Amino acid sequence: GAGVSQSPSNKVTEKGKDVELRCDPISGHTALYWYRQSLGQGLEFLIYFQGNSAPDKSGLPSDRFSAERTGGSVSTLTIQRTQQEDSAVYLCASSLVLRNTEAFFGQGTRLTVV
Amino acid sequence: GIQVEQSPPDLILQEGANSTLRCNFSDSVNNLQWFHQNPWGQLINLFYIPSGTKQNGRLSATTVATERYSLLYISSSQTTDSGVYFCAVEGNNAGNMLTFGGGTRLMVKP
Repeated sequence: GAGVSQSPSNKVTEKGKDVELRCDPISGHTALYWYRQSLGQGLEFLIYFQGNSAPDKSGLPSDRFSAERTGGSVSTLTIQRTQQEDSAVYLCASSLVLRNTEAFFGQGTRLTVV
Repeated sequence: GIQVEQSPPDLILQEGANSTLRCNFSDSVNNLQWFHQNPWGQLINLFYIPSGTKQNGRLSATTVATERYSLLYISSSQTTDSGVYFCAVEGNNAGNMLTFGGGTRLMVKP
């Protein structure tokens, strides 16, 4: 597509429920990144993919968080048993290759856990 | 990991004024980007500038990689320039992702 697309734009969920956030990167981009931005804060790195592979999961805040990417394109970030501290904007970015190239961000998914 | 510090944290300008935003980083980098986060939360790419100087309209940026800093210049500011400006770097030795600074929150008053 023309830009990075994320869905849904907004998600309100009850504490304890699972949620799935979707990211559709720019066509042809092999690298994909997930970040989280809490209210009024900077961006916290979560995970990156090179193709379908995520070599480093250490940025995920807990084992309730997981991510996958299939076909080298769409990625989903899953949060199980959501907690109120998971409330944030989740941003996805993609770049042509993994290093030394410009990254482009989607509009984000605003997650609210009530 | 690499540390990224931005200054000032907050800035209020009168429309038409000029400003300089600074980004310091703690290690060598092979990628540096400046973003503008608009009031709707969208991150807009301003510059991809691991070194050198670039200009785009009223905005320009300079990165001095050997001295580990980058500057973003905004001239003749407009109210639409309001928002948060982020500097993000990819360290040579710090993993395959951008590390963001804390941002500079800019408000331009009419």
